[in-house]
Amino acid sequence: GENVEQHPSTLSVQEGDSAVIKCTYSDSASNYFPWYKQELGKGPQLIIDIRSNVGEKKDQRIAVTLNKTAKHFSLHITETQPEDSAVYFCAASIKETSGSRLTFGEGTQLTVNP
Amino acid sequence: GAVVSQHPSRVICKSGTSVKIECRSLDFQATTMFWYRQFPKKSLMLMATSNEGSKATYEQGVEKDKFLINHASLTLSTLTVTSAHPEDSSFYICSARGQLSGRGIGELFFGEGSRLTVL
Repeated sequence: GENVEQHPSTLSVQEGDSAVIKCTYSDSASNYFPWYKQELGKGPQLIIDIRSNVGEKKDQRIAVTLNKTAKHFSLHITETQPEDSAVYFCAASIKETSGSRLTFGEGTQLTVNP
Repeated sequence: GAVVSQHPSRVICKSGTSVKIECRSLDFQATTMFWYRQFPKKSLMLMATSNEGSKATYEQGVEKDKFLINHASLTLSTLTVTSAHPEDSSFYICSARGQLSGRGIGELFFGEGSRLTVL
């Protein structure tokens, strides 16, 4: 089955700096890579996703890059703000298969210091 | 985005009792729903996958008689923790997959989670 590894497990940055979280996956058939933000005591919220037919996607301060050859993808947050502090999870799945499930990374606790 | 409602958000029960958690897709039909368990500072652990009108598929190591899942309609799935014990205390999260007009197939949306504490 799919295995997703995520690094780092914790990341502390100063407000305004950039934050980068990296994930690798094992199943070359995976074609959908979402990123979730989870605040304390709440469910994960989708913040951005990328499909395997593109290499990069950007949404304001958030961007995701995908390298299918190397089987890794990264989340980039620019101009970080204290409200970006949360746990971030990457995930991978075979999106078009009915009932296919997400395999999650172990999460990254991001702390943005004011 | 789509909304998945999970209820209750917090529940405290006595050991030996059963607790039901509901997961509803409010503005779309969810053909598939997933139930996760999350321990403190850990990732989400998939417990089971349920498709509307059929039996749930449980992950290895998850007791199907302990964690009863029902997906009776395209908008509602329930998880019942039977004869709960303190070790069942955890954060339970559901997610729902459906097809929304104007979006890709199979978008996955998460509920807000349910914190279960068994005394």
